[in-house]
Amino acid sequence: GQNIDQPTEMTATEGAIVQINCTYQTSGFNGLFWYQQHAGEAPTFLSYNVLDGLEEKGRFSSFLSRSKGYSYLLLKELQMKDSASYLCALLDSNYQLIWGAGTKLIIKP
Amino acid sequence: DTAVSQTPKYLVTQMGNDKSIKCEQNLGHDTMYWYKQDSKKFLKIMFSYNNKELIINETVPNRFSPKSPDKAHLNLHINSLELGDSAVYFCASSQGDGQPHTGELFFGEGSRLTVL
Repeated sequence: GQNIDQPTEMTATEGAIVQINCTYQTSGFNGLFWYQQHAGEAPTFLSYNVLDGLEEKGRFSSFLSRSKGYSYLLLKELQMKDSASYLCALLDSNYQLIWGAGTKLIIKP
Repeated sequence: DTAVSQTPKYLVTQMGNDKSIKCEQNLGHDTMYWYKQDSKKFLKIMFSYNNKELIINETVPNRFSPKSPDKAHLNLHINSLELGDSAVYFCASSQGDGQPHTGELFFGEGSRLTVL
């Protein structure tokens, strides 16, 4: 079966850097997504990784290690507006999206 | 212009009633989805349509019936509502080729259903 784990909640300081980890177990893999979801709003796409390595997109970067079943989302120069839930989602061999429960990120001044 | 729009955004109703949620996308995408997000924030796929054809039908009660009159619309009708149906229902779309989720998902704003 498939399983996705990510921390329930994290706290960081404005201007700092935070890394949100996601570990997964799956028999087949077609990529891993990160989405951002502000409270009461819809999830919005952040990144998609299918090959090992780091993908950088502005202040946000996403890393994947397929052999370790591990990904992280790195947020730099944190802003108050980054307070949100960050959802890790795995695309399995049947192209089904399996979602993690999300990590609630709290930014403090 | 709103890319994926769904109505109503809030819905409060009594157990046993029947209700519908409508979704429209103006992105020209071929694939549309209904997701349920419960109080624990897990997103669960319910249905997926590609060009009006059903391609994913997860284990949901048959009280839930999706309808896609054209590829830009995917509506969700729920019969005999139960307390456990209370959740936020998200519509989404993607540019797929029949394989779901090959592209990024664009979500609607969600419809919060409360069953009393």
